[in-house]
Amino acid sequence: NAGVTQTPKFRVLKTGQSMTLLCAQDMNHEYMYWYRQDPGMGLRLIHYSVGEGTTAKGEVPDGYNVSRLKKQNFLLGLESAAPSQTSVYFCASRGRGYYNEQFFGPGTRLTVL
Amino acid sequence: KNEVEQSPQNLTAQEGEFITINCSYSVGISALHWLQQHPGGGIVSLFMLSSGKKKHGRLIATINIQEKHSSLHITASHPRDSAVYICAVSKVIQGAQKLVFGQGTRLTINP
Repeated sequence: NAGVTQTPKFRVLKTGQSMTLLCAQDMNHEYMYWYRQDPGMGLRLIHYSVGEGTTAKGEVPDGYNVSRLKKQNFLLGLESAAPSQTSVYFCASRGRGYYNEQFFGPGTRLTVL
Repeated sequence: KNEVEQSPQNLTAQEGEFITINCSYSVGISALHWLQQHPGGGIVSLFMLSSGKKKHGRLIATINIQEKHSSLHITASHPRDSAVYICAVSKVIQGAQKLVFGQGTRLTINP
């Protein structure tokens, strides 16, 4: 099993450009999450999904959109990138139930110039 | 004040030393997680615990639910243990299970 994979690993954007980050998991997990990690801020939840076709806002959702059309994929979109969105983005997934751990992807390092 | 506080923020030790990282939380939780992140690397789950103590190799995690406190211990530390260790708690927010993260503890083990 590949676990949780993220595409791309690195990306540089100019202000105003758009892009989509792809997260894929092969563990048949119901829950999927997108986080951003910034120095001194720890990990913060952007959006999450509790199942195929459902999404919800997390702690810092502004400037991002998500979609979960297939259970195994969770897409994070930036419609008009801003320098404040320069960050490392992590995707995670977990199964149902309160006592399941989250499995994290390898991360995507995004720089917005 | 953050819901999850870790101490220390930075820790440097010599190879072989016994390491303790602390985590305090202020909310009701269903479980507590310890995560490891190597420089430039991904995030790996080390432990998930809701009571008592767990051990995996040289790593030991304990939790005291009444005191809302957890510790991560590393015995016979090694330079490859150098990483950021993150404490996170699971809580239900708006009907969904989410993690709330501490700021992390940067551990450096010198040979």
